[in-house]
Amino acid sequence: DTGVSQDPRHKITKRGQNVTFRCDPISEHNRLYWYRQTLGQGPEFLTYFQNEAQLEKSRLLSDRFSAERPKGSFSTLEIQRTEQGDSAMYLCASSERDKLKTQYFGPGTRLLVL
Amino acid sequence: AQRVTQPEKLLSVFKGAPVELKCNYSYSGSPELFWYVQYSRQRLQLLLRHISRESIKGFTADLNKGETSFHLKKPFAQEEDSAMYYCALRLTTDSWGKLQFGAGTQVVVTP
Repeated sequence: DTGVSQDPRHKITKRGQNVTFRCDPISEHNRLYWYRQTLGQGPEFLTYFQNEAQLEKSRLLSDRFSAERPKGSFSTLEIQRTEQGDSAMYLCASSERDKLKTQYFGPGTRLLVL
Repeated sequence: AQRVTQPEKLLSVFKGAPVELKCNYSYSGSPELFWYVQYSRQRLQLLLRHISRESIKGFTADLNKGETSFHLKKPFAQEEDSAMYYCALRLTTDSWGKLQFGAGTQVVVTP
C-alpha cells in the first residue's frame, strides 16, 4: 500500500499521560496536514507542513500539542498531559505537487483518553 | 470566517431513487469546493471537486455562487453509495492550505 499510513491505529491512554502519533505521507508529497475529527463532526484542521517547515497552526492546537516533521518525510503529533476532550480521530493527509493539490488521507489514529 | 454547512445528518433513500446532498458555504471570496466520501472501514477519499466539472460514480455537483451552494446529486442511487459524505472548502488564495469540512451526511441506500 503506497498510501498515507498512520501508527498506531488505536490508542487508549489515561488522563495526564503523553501520547505520540506518527504519519508517513505518500512518497515525494511535500505537504503534510493534521486534522482532528470528533464524533458527529467533520475533520478540523490542526496544522500543516511544507517539507520540514510548519506553516500554519490552528487555534485548536493548544500548547499541549506539538507537531514535527524533522526531515521533511514522516511527521509526529504529540499530545502532552492528555485530557478526556482530546479523545478523537486524528487524521493525517499529504498533498502532491500537481496543480490540483489533492489531499490524500490516512486511515487515522483513534485516541481514547480515560 | 468561512463555514460549511451540511444540513442533513442522515439521508435514507431507496435504490434507484435520486439522491441530493446539500452543502452551503459562507465565504466572501471564490472558494474551491470538494466532496469527500468515506465508505465503511475505509479512509476519507476525494469524490469530486468543482473545478473539474466531472461526474464520478454517477455523482455531479454544481457550484452555485449566488446561493453559495455545492449540492451533490445522483439520479439513481445504488447500494454501494451508502457512505458518509463530507463537503469541504479551500480558499483559492491558499490553494495549498487547509480544507474546511462540513459535519457530514450519512447516506443509506436500501434495496
